[in-house]
Amino acid sequence: DTAVSQTPKYLVTQMGNDKSIKCEQNLGHDTMYWYKQDSKKFLKIMFSYNNKELIINETVPNRFSPKSPDKAHLNLHINSLELGDSAVYFCASSPSNDRWAFFGQGTRLTVV
Amino acid sequence: GENVEQHPSTLSVQEGDSAVIKCTYSDSASNYFPWYKQELGKRPQLIIDIRSNVGEKKDQRIAVTLNKTAKHFSLHITETQPEDSAVYFCAARKAQGAQKLVFGQGTRLTINP
Repeated sequence: DTAVSQTPKYLVTQMGNDKSIKCEQNLGHDTMYWYKQDSKKFLKIMFSYNNKELIINETVPNRFSPKSPDKAHLNLHINSLELGDSAVYFCASSPSNDRWAFFGQGTRLTVV
Repeated sequence: GENVEQHPSTLSVQEGDSAVIKCTYSDSASNYFPWYKQELGKRPQLIIDIRSNVGEKKDQRIAVTLNKTAKHFSLHITETQPEDSAVYFCAARKAQGAQKLVFGQGTRLTINP
């Protein structure tokens, strides 16, 4: 059973396009996150939702818009893609009664 | 906000030797410190964690130590094996306020046969 599932795994798109990445977790966790991992492997949080409510919104361009239709799903929509958006995007989730995070397999986004 | 510094950025050791990776954190309110291992092309996976009420924790060949006064924590891997080669990340998290893991910059560990 896949605990945190992201789709697609790979995404190649042209500059200026709009794209979405989907994330679903079947762990029953209340909190979900989006992290960005750049080419130097640095992991930086972008957003966090708790029970569908946005609780963390780091300094991210407003071209990035997360949406959580329910606590098991957290999607990421990116408008007007730029070359610098190329990275691996990881979805993760945490239980409400603990602090560890379980990561999805990542989505490698390449903007050309 | 919290800042986590991790050293070294790369580490190469002979198979069978020990490896140590060190992290420092800035926010004294942080009280949860996990370590993640990321193999090439894979997701980060939790390998061990420690909470601020404990000074040391061990799980087979890996151990983590925490010095709250100095605000630093370390990962120790003994009897290293080729499959230990990966990028290792430390992280810190507060109990109160925004619930997020702040990661160190990562250490690329290479085990030489």
